[in-house]
Amino acid sequence: SQTIHQWPATLVQPVGSPLSLECTVEGTSNPNLYWYRQAAGRGLQLLFYSVGIGQISSEVPQNLSASRPQDRQFILSSKKLLLSDSGFYLCAWRVDPSPLHFGNGTRLTVT
Amino acid sequence: DAKTTQPPSMDCAEGRAANLPCNHSTISGNEYVYWYRQIHSQGPQYIIHGLKNNETNEMASLIITEDRKSSTLILPHATLRDTAVYYCIVRTSYDKVIFGPGTSLSVIP
Repeated sequence: SQTIHQWPATLVQPVGSPLSLECTVEGTSNPNLYWYRQAAGRGLQLLFYSVGIGQISSEVPQNLSASRPQDRQFILSSKKLLLSDSGFYLCAWRVDPSPLHFGNGTRLTVT
Repeated sequence: DAKTTQPPSMDCAEGRAANLPCNHSTISGNEYVYWYRQIHSQGPQYIIHGLKNNETNEMASLIITEDRKSSTLILPHATLRDTAVYYCIVRTSYDKVIFGPGTSLSVIP
């Protein structure tokens, strides 16, 4: 069966520090991969999605970046975090036409 | 890209059926309708999806109109644990999956 792993579950980082969140999927091949962010009290914002290795589409201009070095690995990064980067970060995968499957998320607090 | 419209909030009495509407008038012939829900502080949970026919699973039923321009998610016997934000999604082009604000369902004791 397919599983998605996302870590860490919680993270507290100072402003200006770097960020790396990792997401891996098991039990499927060539999935579409997604990064979403949810600020406190707000909706789900699509940040990046990828339909294949090395193929990244960015939805919102920001100081974040994403990479897909392997078929089932999706990484979200930042060189310098801002206070506004705080939020709940969710990784998800799907294989068309199946629905999205979400990880458990990472709660990031930038102080 | 197909867009969806949902009421921002709804109330439902515990034990009664909750009927959540969604309009997707620009849906294309091969696009599925997906429903998810997000309980506070958790990641979204898949509920059900359909293309043309009505669908039912252990969680809910999905009724899609014949012209496919709208659908209704039915929770047959709502419980307090069904209080959540419900999202109706139609997959957009190039495999983007955009979530709108959804419907905040409150199940009242």
